[in-house]
Amino acid sequence: GQSLEQPSEVTAVEGAIVQINCTYQTSGFYGLSWYQQHDGGAPTFLSYNALDGLEETGRFSSFLSRSDSYGYLLLQELQMKDSASYFCAVEGDSNYQLIWGAGTKLIIKP
Amino acid sequence: NAGVMQNPRHLVRRRGQEARLRCSPMKGHSHVYWYRQLPEEGLKFMVYLQKENIIDESGMPKERFSAEFPKEGPSILRIQQVVRGDSAAYFCASSAGTGNTEAFFGQGTRLTVV
Repeated sequence: GQSLEQPSEVTAVEGAIVQINCTYQTSGFYGLSWYQQHDGGAPTFLSYNALDGLEETGRFSSFLSRSDSYGYLLLQELQMKDSASYFCAVEGDSNYQLIWGAGTKLIIKP
Repeated sequence: NAGVMQNPRHLVRRRGQEARLRCSPMKGHSHVYWYRQLPEEGLKFMVYLQKENIIDESGMPKERFSAEFPKEGPSILRIQQVVRGDSAAYFCASSAGTGNTEAFFGQGTRLTVV
């Protein structure tokens, strides 16, 4: 079967750095995306990695290692508004059908 | 340019009734995707449509569920004879081309079956 594994919950302190890992097992691979979802809200696109390496966008960075079927999302200078669920998603056999992880709930303490 | 619009935001139906969920994609987008999300879970792909065509409905249950994206008007996800297990958040996303990297999501419709 196809699956993505990510921690269910991560806790960090405001101003700190946190890394959310994602390992995947899919029959195909086009790319790995990360989405943020606040409670009751819509998923919003954060980043996309098709090739190995680090992509940086402001306080957020995303990393991919295709040989390890692994990626992570790095959030720096955490702010209270970053409290949300973070999902990794893979474009597997098709480049339109996203396979989603169960999400990581990020709890930020003052 | 309005984003992806879904309505209603909340829908309550009794078992056996029909639920009709609407999605208006972003202006200029002709690709629509429907996903279902249960509490504490990720999104599950249901169906991918382009104008007047169903491209992939492999994630949609064969019975009671149908989707359309007519030439004019919003995309509709229809659930007939709803059961309690259909209670979930249903999200629609749209993109200008194939692929999810530029897909934008609506706020979702939260269906509760009582």
